[in-house]
Amino acid sequence: RKEVEQDPGPFNVPEGATVAFNCTYSNSASQSFFWYRQDCRKEPKLLMSVYSSGNEDGRFTAQLNRASQYISLLIRDSKLSDSATYLCVVNIGSYGKLTFGQGTILTVHP
Amino acid sequence: ETGVTQTPRHLVMGMTNKKSLKCEQHLGHNAMYWYKQSAKKPLELMFVYNFKEQTENNSVPSRFSPECPNSSHLFLHLHTLQPEDSALYLCASSQDRVEQFFGPGTRLTVL
Repeated sequence: RKEVEQDPGPFNVPEGATVAFNCTYSNSASQSFFWYRQDCRKEPKLLMSVYSSGNEDGRFTAQLNRASQYISLLIRDSKLSDSATYLCVVNIGSYGKLTFGQGTILTVHP
Repeated sequence: ETGVTQTPRHLVMGMTNKKSLKCEQHLGHNAMYWYKQSAKKPLELMFVYNFKEQTENNSVPSRFSPECPNSSHLFLHLHTLQPEDSALYLCASSQDRVEQFFGPGTRLTVL
């Protein structure tokens, strides 16, 4: 089983749509969780950290369910500029050792 | 310069060549990382340096040799690579927290 598993997509949605991505992780000792965004042929950039209580940043909402070892990202009112690959990232505890999912491709069309 | 920079941005090399990738971070961070990103695969952590000391070597073949002379600079020395080593090599840095900031990467092609 992969350490971090994501549906690769692609997700094709119209502008203004709401889209949700899910991610599961296998190691119950995982301590920190993140969503990164990677544009085509660019480096990954931190989108948001994911906290146990859930957190929101504008149109983006992240949720963590430790019991089910599941992380989600919700994007509301999708913009064309949201088109990218969204990477689910988990830190298992060893300093700086991040494990990345394969990424979910999102395309927002007019 | 700001953030994390990497040179060269593109590199083509033969299997018998020796080359080096360079990374520099201008963020005052104390940890630096090398990652490999191959097509259709997740990012793979290769090496971690914390305060210039290597704290992680993720079973990377010896044809990849990292060097961290100080907390702002990180090198990846390459020799006798294989075509399957062709990938995007990303450098990242962080300070005390796990959130990492990435450089633009070096796209490596091994012929």
